[in-house]
Amino acid sequence: DQQVKQNSPSLSVQEGRISILNCDYTNSMFDYFLWYKKYPAEGPTFLISISSIKDKNEDGRFTVFLNKSAKHLSLHIVPSQPGDSAVYFCAASDRGSYIPTFGRGTSLIVHP
Amino acid sequence: DARVTQTPRHKVTEMGQEVTMRCQPILGHNTVFWYRQTMMQGLELLAYFRNRAPLDDSGMPKDRFSAEMPDATLATLKIQPSEPRDSAVYFCASGLDRMRQPQHFGDGTRLSIL
Repeated sequence: DQQVKQNSPSLSVQEGRISILNCDYTNSMFDYFLWYKKYPAEGPTFLISISSIKDKNEDGRFTVFLNKSAKHLSLHIVPSQPGDSAVYFCAASDRGSYIPTFGRGTSLIVHP
Repeated sequence: DARVTQTPRHKVTEMGQEVTMRCQPILGHNTVFWYRQTMMQGLELLAYFRNRAPLDDSGMPKDRFSAEMPDATLATLKIQPSEPRDSAVYFCASGLDRMRQPQHFGDGTRLSIL
């Protein structure tokens, strides 16, 4: 059973608009969340993270929001650029564990 | 810029053959992970090493898969005998065992078993 779920396999957005990628989790012990970005033929690279003591973390065009009561997090990209086209993986880990659990990924396409 | 290096990048072989994938973690990193990426399962954890000791290989089919770290600069993942269902992209990642440090991934080995 998937503990980290990315229910949208793909998302298409126009350049300059906002991209919102969603992630749900079921394990209430998860307290640290990460987003990775993956280009074709490359490995995932770390993008941004958030601890459960926060509800928002921002880094340039990327913002992650965490709603603990809903067990939901989202990644906002504003403004979206064609270079943001990639697969985005959500991951979560619990207290005391270094091993994150990954979602299946969402493929983002940003059209010029 | 330090990187995790994986070899080979691509491997095509016939079922029944032995496959060995190699990974050179980033110097100074003391944790190594092997993942398999498939369309259905996303990124599945196969094995996890800390200070070269295997700590978790529960995600790995034990009858045909084996993972080792002969030394701190080399991790290997072997499949023997290989089967068509093993076709996937295999990623190695390394990191530090300090809490909340993100992993650094290699570019993967794309494996095709005919």
